[in-house]
Amino acid sequence: EAQVTQNPRYLITVTGKKLTVTCSQNMNHEYMSWYRQDPGLGLRQIYYSMNVEVTDKGDVPEGYKVSRKEKRNFPLILESPSPNQTSLYFCASSLRFWETNEKLFFGSGTQLSVL
Amino acid sequence: AQKVTQAQTEISVVEKEDVTLDCVYETRDTTYYLFWYKQPPSGELVFLIRRNSFDEQNEISGRYSWNFQKSTSSFNFTITASQVVDSAVYFCAPDRGSTLGRLYFGRGTQLTVWP
Repeated sequence: EAQVTQNPRYLITVTGKKLTVTCSQNMNHEYMSWYRQDPGLGLRQIYYSMNVEVTDKGDVPEGYKVSRKEKRNFPLILESPSPNQTSLYFCASSLRFWETNEKLFFGSGTQLSVL
Repeated sequence: AQKVTQAQTEISVVEKEDVTLDCVYETRDTTYYLFWYKQPPSGELVFLIRRNSFDEQNEISGRYSWNFQKSTSSFNFTITASQVVDSAVYFCAPDRGSTLGRLYFGRGTQLTVWP
């Protein structure tokens, strides 16, 4: 089954404790992206990757890191989480949505709480 | 700079009423795509439609229809004979056209359909 898998689904942590949210897709997609969703603000793009070893900043990259060492995985790293990073996070993937008539596939989301 | 506006924060209707959700996208790009996504109470993001800026034909799919007018930068979404299951947050999402990989979501419209 074609899917984007995020883990964990829920995460509670404390300020400053490094964490990684994993994202994996099984569709051989070139494009992957991370979004955060906050009430009243919609989804805001954090980072995206057009292919392996190619990443770029979205609208709200501060405090986040990503890596794309292999096509299927795109982990989101919070080196020193802060309470303002409490949010619902979504990973998405696509072959090349800007060229092809296709949608983005989204993961189920990760609810992160930083205390 | 590009700007996407979903002016309606919340809409409430009674079942079987028609409802239109508005989206205005201001951009200097001449080529771009526009997506609509739905987020039901369960939280996942469900793809509804993708249109490109060259195609102003209205599209109908079952109870859903879309009206894209490039001259007014509007991409409106109508649900005919609404049902309780249509209750969700609806997001309009244009890509950034000239900036590959950038997909920008509006703040969303919360639709509540009462029985």
